[in-house]
Amino acid sequence: NAGVTQTPKFQVLKTGQSMTLQCAQDMNHEYMSWYRQDPGMGLRLIHYSVGAGITDQGEVPNGYNVSRSTTEDFPLRLLSAAPSQTSVYFCASRVGRATEAFFGQGTRLTVV
Amino acid sequence: DQQVKQNSPSLSVQEGRISILNCDYTNSMFDYFLWYKKYPAEGPTFLISISSIKDKNEDGRFTVFLNKSAKHLSLHIVPSQPGDSAVYFCAASARGSGTYKYIFGTGTRLKVLA
Repeated sequence: NAGVTQTPKFQVLKTGQSMTLQCAQDMNHEYMSWYRQDPGMGLRLIHYSVGAGITDQGEVPNGYNVSRSTTEDFPLRLLSAAPSQTSVYFCASRVGRATEAFFGQGTRLTVV
Repeated sequence: DQQVKQNSPSLSVQEGRISILNCDYTNSMFDYFLWYKKYPAEGPTFLISISSIKDKNEDGRFTVFLNKSAKHLSLHIVPSQPGDSAVYFCAASARGSGTYKYIFGTGTRLKVLA
């Protein structure tokens, strides 16, 4: 049972490049979320999904796209990377509304 | 507008003593609260949660207290151990619209001194 798996663990992008951060969970959780962690800012919600085909914006969605075609996968797309998107990104999943969320190990992204 | 606030960026405590981490919130619709611990280069891990129908929840050395009138919750760790040194985040979830979001605070870095 792998839990929540994020790939890659590290990535360096040039300004303007696009890329997709992958997130997969094997717990059959309906709820999945993406967060970014920045110094002094805590964990900020980017996008979330409450099931396949359903996504919505969080606190800081600009510059990011998501889709949820399967229960297991919730990829995060950076359309045109900017230095302000340098951060550590975490994917999380949970089974229901008021339940604990399980986090992946994170992706450290640097945009130069 | 920070709905969940952790006003102490850091805290140092002697091993064996009590650690008290605080969290304040502004949204009266929040009805479920969680605490997470995070070590460097790892994802956050769940510690303990509390529903707004309770004012206290215990799990081993960890106790969370909720004061709804003050919109305040705290995490007590007794006794503190060096392995507890980590960043602690509180999070909250609201009933009604936005029920699917967990909103996190900015974190408190706890250092337990041996």
